[in-house]
Amino acid sequence: GESVGLHLPTLSVQEGDNSIINCAYSNSASDYFIWYKQESGKGPQFIIDIRSNMDKRQGQRVTVLLNKTVKHLSLQIAATQPGDSAVYFCAENTGTASKLTFGTGTRLQVTL
Amino acid sequence: GAVVSQHPSRVICKSGTSVKIECRSLDFQATTMFWYRQFPKQSLMLMATSNEGSKATYEQGVEKDKFLINHASLTLSTLTVTSAHPEDSSFYICSASPVAGGPQETQYFGPGTRLLVL
Repeated sequence: GESVGLHLPTLSVQEGDNSIINCAYSNSASDYFIWYKQESGKGPQFIIDIRSNMDKRQGQRVTVLLNKTVKHLSLQIAATQPGDSAVYFCAENTGTASKLTFGTGTRLQVTL
Repeated sequence: GAVVSQHPSRVICKSGTSVKIECRSLDFQATTMFWYRQFPKQSLMLMATSNEGSKATYEQGVEKDKFLINHASLTLSTLTVTSAHPEDSSFYICSASPVAGGPQETQYFGPGTRLLVL
């Protein structure tokens, strides 16, 4: 079936560096994408979203890029901080009853 | 705003017993609530979609008679794991979509419920 997957299961970055977390999706009908952050033992926390009619969206220290041609989504975190350490999930929505399909997740480890 | 709570946060039960988990939207009304299950080091897997006043829609492979969902109001959905077994041990997370405001697809997640079946 259709799936959303991630290239890197674990990403280790030094504090202050920029982080890039990637996600590949396979459902060309998906029109809404979201990045979530999940800390250990907690529920997912919304970070940023983007619609398919956009290719870039910026938030506070975060940027999401969408490349529909190759069905690729990325999350960029500027000046990564220890508090950014968590598992990051991309999720896609095809407009069907607001259902989200989650990717496999990438663990971000921030080293001092 | 947009806070979702779950109760209990963790529960331990004996095999064969039933466990009820509550999901509440605290400061908004939710047309739709979703129930997910997450095993250790894995992603969230959607179990069912719950709409207020109607029957839940279950994902393929999820037993509706085992995972009973009730969405009695626009702020409360419950998931009951019936006759729980050790393999049902998992992290159960709910989310809620607001009736109005924000993208239709916006989901706000609860903090999760850790279930351990002995």
